[in-house]
Amino acid sequence: AAGVIQSPRHLIKEKRETATLKCYPIPRHDTVYWYQQGPGQDPQFLISFYEKMQSDKGSIPDRFSAQQFSDYHSELNMSSLELGDSALYFCASSPSGRGYEQYFGPGTRLTVT
Amino acid sequence: AQSVAQPEDQVNVAEGNPLTVKCTYSVSGNPYLFWYVQYPNRGLQFLLKYITGDNLVKGSYGFEAEFNKSQTSFHLKKPSALVSDSALYFCAVRDPSNFGNEKLTFGTGTRLTIIP
Repeated sequence: AAGVIQSPRHLIKEKRETATLKCYPIPRHDTVYWYQQGPGQDPQFLISFYEKMQSDKGSIPDRFSAQQFSDYHSELNMSSLELGDSALYFCASSPSGRGYEQYFGPGTRLTVT
Repeated sequence: AQSVAQPEDQVNVAEGNPLTVKCTYSVSGNPYLFWYVQYPNRGLQFLLKYITGDNLVKGSYGFEAEFNKSQTSFHLKKPSALVSDSALYFCAVRDPSNFGNEKLTFGTGTRLTIIP
């Protein structure tokens, strides 16, 4: 079965640089979610999109922005990177409807040096 | 606000014995509850969910969980543990009564180790 695809899987950036993370949801899933998981921590919700519109927002820094495109893929743009941004970034997708579970991608490991 | 507590950071169980991973939740309305498993350097894998209906829900790999509204708990269980069950387990909650709330709120995770 098709799964959520994230690219790149690993990314190394320096402080103050920018990064773009991409997410391709499972086919026919119209809702995309972004989470950040720091070392040894639980995933923290950043932002979600339904039908290309932002549907919910969590603890996403102002330096980060995201969008969902017409083909339902999503991109998380991160600017002025800080050491504390080093984490595993997960994308998840689900069909619309509140009872559906979210299916997670393998994550992008971002290291900021 | 919605929250989840996993009171045990680490659970060790002998292979073949039953296992329980505990989870309690707090939401303003009726909760949607989920269990996910995470293997090293991997994404979160969905195990099971409670939305409504029967309090005992069955999921993947022989896991099940019991929703207890009075105790606000959703403990994960398996009758006979396998070494391959060793992983990090996350309980998560979503409050569907909160309009526009799409996010899952996760517990801090429980590391389950099955001892051969």
